Amino acid sequence: DAGVIQSPRHEVTEMGQEVTLRCKPISGHNSLFWYRQTMMRGLELLIYFNNNVPIDDSGMPEDRFSAKMPNASFSTLKIQPSEPRDSAVYFCASSLISSSESSYEQYFGPGTRLTVT
Amino acid sequence: GDSVTQMEGPVTLSEEAFLTINCTYTATGYPSLFWYVQYPGEGLQLLLKATKADDKGSNKGFEATYRKETTSFHLEKGSVQVSDSAVYFCALTGGFKTIFGAGTRLFVKA
Repeated sequence: DAGVIQSPRHEVTEMGQEVTLRCKPISGHNSLFWYRQTMMRGLELLIYFNNNVPIDDSGMPEDRFSAKMPNASFSTLKIQPSEPRDSAVYFCASSLISSSESSYEQYFGPGTRLTVT
Repeated sequence: GDSVTQMEGPVTLSEEAFLTINCTYTATGYPSLFWYVQYPGEGLQLLLKATKADDKGSNKGFEATYRKETTSFHLEKGSVQVSDSAVYFCALTGGFKTIFGAGTRLFVKA
């Protein structure tokens, strides 16, 4: 398996522009997570989906951020409009979670490094 | 709510030194506990896990024991290598969420 795939790996954009980050989870996984990592705030959970349905988006910083999962093999995280403080590494992770098992592992993608100037 | 607290870094050691990174947790119920490692420029990857009290997880010379009485899951390695330089995250799962600690950066000098 190719693992979790994220694109692009690097994104540089100007303030005010729309940014779309993409993620392809591992085939067969039923849960997908978006994280943001910065030196100041560490690793933050933004949103997670189970069976393509958003379960908890309380970590989404503000309305400028939105995420979708139209099918089991694709998700996007969109920032519109982008701001310099959105500069971070964004990770997507997937997992196979069952109701009877609590010890699930998360598989992380390589991340997208976003720089907003 | 559930939480994970791990020792602040950075931790700097010489090659072949003994490593301990402390991790304690607060949780309702009986969570599973994990250590993840993040190498420079990469995403996190699972290092080891333990699913119940007194379980010991081990991998690549690292080990950690699930201690319910002290709510701890300390990471240890008897002899570190330069290639172990990375950021280490303690984590627990409860329900759909994984709660991560803040991470501890380890530098190993040759």
